Amino acid sequence: IAGITQAPTSQILAAGRRMTLRCTQDMRHNAMYWYRQDLGLGLRLIHYSNTAGTTGKGEVPDGYSVSRANTDDFPLTLASAVPSQTSVYFCASSDGVNEQFFGPGTRLTVL
Amino acid sequence: AQSVTQLDSQVPVFEEAPVELRCNYSSSVSVYLFWYVQYPNQGLQLLLKYLSGSTLVKGINGFEAEFNKSQTSFHLRKPSVHISDTAEYFCAVTLRDNTNAGKSTFGDGTTLTVKP
Repeated sequence: IAGITQAPTSQILAAGRRMTLRCTQDMRHNAMYWYRQDLGLGLRLIHYSNTAGTTGKGEVPDGYSVSRANTDDFPLTLASAVPSQTSVYFCASSDGVNEQFFGPGTRLTVL
Repeated sequence: AQSVTQLDSQVPVFEEAPVELRCNYSSSVSVYLFWYVQYPNQGLQLLLKYLSGSTLVKGINGFEAEFNKSQTSFHLRKPSVHISDTAEYFCAVTLRDNTNAGKSTFGDGTTLTVKP
């Protein structure tokens, strides 16, 4: 693993289903983030984590939850997917001061 | 709260011409400044950053940006663009506050299209 990986690359999901997007980093960064990117709306922060064991809400947290059991992993869960959650999701990490490192993204379609 | 405004949503330019992508920010405290580039179907990657020191910073692929504190701007420039520079560019700020978890505020992006 080099940098940040995300899985799956893409997913088509029926509305009402539960889905977990996975994110793993190997840089030992304390901070991790989840964004969604929608055309015309830029990047919007969903949830973030300062360090393992802590999480916080971003700009658009409703319908999403996260956990940070260890430094490397930061999964994002949609408990009951809705069509408005169709988006491209990016995970990122940083040391809390310098730039963020982004994963390749997960393209999610909720039908 | 801080905010970032990218003044141009789309910038078309011919190959080998100069380009400037404009970014203004507002914040009540000092910030770190970043430019990221996103190629189609990829994540964002860092072009350059201003943390401290010289206000003119150089990045990858021949890009540079100048931090202007009085005008709260961080415009991105390149003297001669290539077709391969066609991408989405994002300006971002992070508060100089270690209780902020390094959260960045991003602009809405500027689509640079380089024409042959």
